[in-house]
Amino acid sequence: DTEVTQTPKHLVMGMTNKKSLKCEQHMGHRAMYWYKQKAKKPPELMFVYSYEKLSINESVPSRFSPECPNSSLLNLHLHALQPEDSALYLCASSQDVEPGANVLTFGAGSRLTVL
Amino acid sequence: AQSVAQPEDQVNVAEGNPLTVKCTYSVSGNPYLFWYVQYPNRGLQFLLKYITGDNLVKGSYGFEAEFNKSQTSFHLKKPSALVSDSALYFCAVSPRDGSSNTGKLIFGQGTTLQVKP
Repeated sequence: DTEVTQTPKHLVMGMTNKKSLKCEQHMGHRAMYWYKQKAKKPPELMFVYSYEKLSINESVPSRFSPECPNSSLLNLHLHALQPEDSALYLCASSQDVEPGANVLTFGAGSRLTVL
Repeated sequence: AQSVAQPEDQVNVAEGNPLTVKCTYSVSGNPYLFWYVQYPNRGLQFLLKYITGDNLVKGSYGFEAEFNKSQTSFHLKKPSALVSDSALYFCAVSPRDGSSNTGKLIFGQGTTLQVKP
């Protein structure tokens, strides 16, 4: 299995809703990432988990809450989002985060629309 | 500040012609260099990377990239373009200079490649 699977593919939510994005990989990768991508723009790093511990938080607002229940799963919990949070959310994984030469395998993304 | 520049928002080529997508970077030391491609409504896919060694790197789908240290460039090339190569291409750099960005990917703004039949 060489894929990163993200669910749901599309999500529409109101500003008062609570929802979650899910990501799964079975490649034995020990680093997992959340990126946010606006249309025709590069991905922006949000969080990095290394060996199931949060290693990087790029000053993301607390309305985004990551969780790594085990080495294969990564969740992004969403609460009280704003319309400007509408974007494609990409999950990625790599063998590990050291020393930066690792190739990232990306999922197809979850397209989030906040009304 | 560390940065990656892709000077062309869009590159148009005819099918069968060679293509070049340009990338230059401003990162100290000897960073790792990558190209990723994104097809519509998909995540990014790895094409190739430069770590060390031969300046010409060969990757997936017939793509190659040439590393030029003096010009701090890492241009993506393909000898004969296909319509199916039409996509958004991102150059990315991973510093290894001990800065706060060490281990992270710094992406360029992306270049849309349009290959016409």
